[in-house]
Amino acid sequence: QQPVQSPQAVILREGEDAVINCSSSKALYSVHWYRQKHGEAPVFLMILLKGGEQKGHEKISASFNEKKQQSSLYLTASQLSYSGTYFCGTTGAGSYQLTFGKGTKLSVIP
Amino acid sequence: DSGVTQTPKHLITATGQRVTLRCSPRSGDLSVYWYQQSLDQGLQFLIQYYNGEERAKGNILERFSAQQFPDLHSELNLSSLELGDSALYFCASSAGGAGEKLFFGSGTQLSVL
Repeated sequence: QQPVQSPQAVILREGEDAVINCSSSKALYSVHWYRQKHGEAPVFLMILLKGGEQKGHEKISASFNEKKQQSSLYLTASQLSYSGTYFCGTTGAGSYQLTFGKGTKLSVIP
Repeated sequence: DSGVTQTPKHLITATGQRVTLRCSPRSGDLSVYWYQQSLDQGLQFLIQYYNGEERAKGNILERFSAQQFPDLHSELNLSSLELGDSALYFCASSAGGAGEKLFFGSGTQLSVL
């Protein structure tokens, strides 16, 4: 079942923060986050496994709430290079199928 | 460079035809995934193979089929093509575990005229 992402699109000015949400109606084993720039292949950002841990680097991090089957991607102090479409992908317990949401288009402007 | 190779990069064909898309996974990866991405659409999961065996199947049309060969490369066959099959087809590979990251190839852009 396809996870639901919100918002569908967001426009930020450089230096602003953003949160992208991903939710599922089924029990999740893992949540993946990828970024795709126009005309390019998706690129891996991070994976979160069940357990509610938060992962990431300085300015891009994510959390996974196992009980709510939700994940959020946090982008702080956005840069122009953050522009692209962000996809969350999920696997269910006992499943290897990685199903992606419809994506969130992020545009960072000067 | 992700290490995943897809050929051809572009394919233009006519309705009713059959095409084959090829994917070579990263060295050492055992699992191959196929995704379809239409204009402004997300990544639709088609099928996954692990070490030559089908592992997961998504909403793949009966006109589509795939396989993974002993050398681990994979082929996606699309037949009786329709205009609506025009899309970007991505192959991705991973080591094979459920929680492992995917490395995507650059895709094959299929145009059905």
